[in-house]
Amino acid sequence: SYELTQPPSVSVSPGQTATITCSGGELENKYVSWYQQKAGQTPVLVIYQDTKRPSGIPERFSASTSGDTATLTISGAQPMDEADYYCQAWDSTIAWVFGGGTELTVL
Amino acid sequence: QITLKESGPTLVKATQTLTLTCTFSGFSFNTGEVGVGWIRQPPGKALEWLALVYWDDDKRYSPSLKSRLTIIKDTSKNQVALIMINMDPVDTATYYCARAYSSGWRFDYWGQGALVTVSS
Repeated sequence: SYELTQPPSVSVSPGQTATITCSGGELENKYVSWYQQKAGQTPVLVIYQDTKRPSGIPERFSASTSGDTATLTISGAQPMDEADYYCQAWDSTIAWVFGGGTELTVL
Repeated sequence: QITLKESGPTLVKATQTLTLTCTFSGFSFNTGEVGVGWIRQPPGKALEWLALVYWDDDKRYSPSLKSRLTIIKDTSKNQVALIMINMDPVDTATYYCARAYSSGWRFDYWGQGALVTVSS
């Protein structure tokens, strides 16, 4: 079965750039989405189709995919960005697969 | 405004069957290019996709749980049901329903989630 691998945790200081990776076979050939889940809350879509931001998501959130790795970048991370982040891949063969999640700490 | 809401039992016993219903508003299967899926999250653990039904009634299931799952839509009622048989305590989780949209098939709108506890 298809798997996505994320680092369990990432820590940055406020104002720094946070980078969260997601690895999976031939990931560049799949659609990748990213979700933010704050403690006790429902997941929120922050990136879809590899690089696109839904309306209302700050510009400091960006993403890219190359080869087997997708990367979510939060430029100038703020304390409000502390959350768990999940990548998710889709194609017609694997359907939907989520990564194991990355806990982002900003302090 | 698009909303989804899960409903169903909060407690089930091991070996029983769980039926959850997702009632949504603000979109319709009739307009096409959408799906409604179920995702679960055990306490303190990661998200896990379970199943999805497309607007055209095509259905997809997680390979690891396919034998235990059935997803059904009622277009006239704007509802999607998930049926999971042979429940086990490890199935204790918050169960979310979410809309999937065809551009990248992302889950763009989520329900608030329903915590289901399975007792032994």
